[in-house]
Amino acid sequence: EDQVTQSPEALRLQEGESSSLNCSYTVSGLRGLFWYRQDPGKGPEFLFTLYSAGEEKEKERLKATLTKKESFLHITAPKPEDSATYLCAGDYNNNDMRFGAGTRLTVKP
Amino acid sequence: DGGITQSPKYLFRKEGQNVTLSCEQNLNHDAMYWYRQDPGQGLRLIYYSQIVNDFQKGDIAEGYSVSREKKESFPLTVTSAQKNPTAFYLCASRPGRMNYGYTFGSGTRLTVV
Repeated sequence: EDQVTQSPEALRLQEGESSSLNCSYTVSGLRGLFWYRQDPGKGPEFLFTLYSAGEEKEKERLKATLTKKESFLHITAPKPEDSATYLCAGDYNNNDMRFGAGTRLTVKP
Repeated sequence: DGGITQSPKYLFRKEGQNVTLSCEQNLNHDAMYWYRQDPGQGLRLIYYSQIVNDFQKGDIAEGYSVSREKKESFPLTVTSAQKNPTAFYLCASRPGRMNYGYTFGSGTRLTVV
């Protein structure tokens, strides 16, 4: 079964303290790797799609990268408003995506 | 503005009752999906539909039913056969073409009372 695993489960940072979130995925059959942000009690919001190893995408303080077996979401100088759960998902057959359990990020002022 | 509307935001179900969650989109997307989200777990697929009048079971379809009579609408019924329905339910859509991210609704929180 296709699998997507995220780590850590939770991450607490001080404002301005940069870090990275990890997403490991089943390599065979991957069509695209997606990152979403989810605020409490709301639906996920699409952030990035990555298709091939070496690809990078950026948006404000977030940068997503993809290697042959992992993806990273780098957060540079985070602010409290970056606090959310970040979900990684692999698109394997165009019928649905396989989601990881998410990393819950808390940024303290 | 285009988007997906889920209603109600909160829903309470009594034992043995069927309830229906609404999902409407005005994005002209072909594909629509229902996911269930439980604490500490990834989103799990219940049903999906890629065209009108056609839908497929996902990983956890037992105790649920759907219909797709219109492109814009994909309601989910949680039947009495679903023994543990308390969860956060998310509807999503995307264009029929490959490799597009989902657009999600704001979710419905269902609680059994």
